[in-house]
Amino acid sequence: DAGVIQSPRHEVTEMGQEVTLRCKPISGHDYLFWYRQTMMRGLELLIYFNNNVPIDDSGMPEDRFSAKMPNASFSTLKIQPSEPRDSAVYFCASSAPSRGRTDTQYFGPGTRLTVL
Amino acid sequence: GESVGLHLPTLSVQEGDNSIINCAYSNSASDYFIWYKQESGKGPQFIIDIRSNMDKRQGQRVTVLLNKTVKHLSLQIAATQPGDSAVYFCAENGRGTSYGKLTFGQGTILTVHP
Repeated sequence: DAGVIQSPRHEVTEMGQEVTLRCKPISGHDYLFWYRQTMMRGLELLIYFNNNVPIDDSGMPEDRFSAKMPNASFSTLKIQPSEPRDSAVYFCASSAPSRGRTDTQYFGPGTRLTVL
Repeated sequence: GESVGLHLPTLSVQEGDNSIINCAYSNSASDYFIWYKQESGKGPQFIIDIRSNMDKRQGQRVTVLLNKTVKHLSLQIAATQPGDSAVYFCAENGRGTSYGKLTFGQGTILTVHP
């Protein structure tokens, strides 16, 4: 089975531009998570969804960040406008705890974002 | 003041030695714990898990120990290999808070010298 798929793998953009990160969770998983990882702050949970509905977005840094999950197989994380301090690796993860499985989250390969 | 990065605990071992990585968790209501391995340039990868009704669980070359009394978790890697070099994270599911959400530790850097 394919794991979590993220695109693009690398993104370099200029300050002020809009950035859209994409994620396809593992088929059958009903939870989807967006994380950000930096050397300064480690791994931070930004937002997570259950059955396509946002459950907790308290980790979203500010209004420049937004996330959507239009269906069970696709989610986006958008930053508009982007700033240099948004430079980080963004991970998507999925899990299926409500279907008798464990809380284990399976991570994608990440998107390395650089904002110049 | 000047910001500083995270100072992750580090463990350096020789190839073939056994490694023990420790983690203190915060929520006494957590009933599920996971160890992840993150290699450079990759996402965290599941290694082994344990439920709170167990004290020990073994996998291939890895063992997880759980001490609920002191809220401590450890990962033991037998016959450590250079390919084990990575950052290791523990995670807890924190029951009593948000269902499905995991809380991650800061991580420990393991370096294996040939």
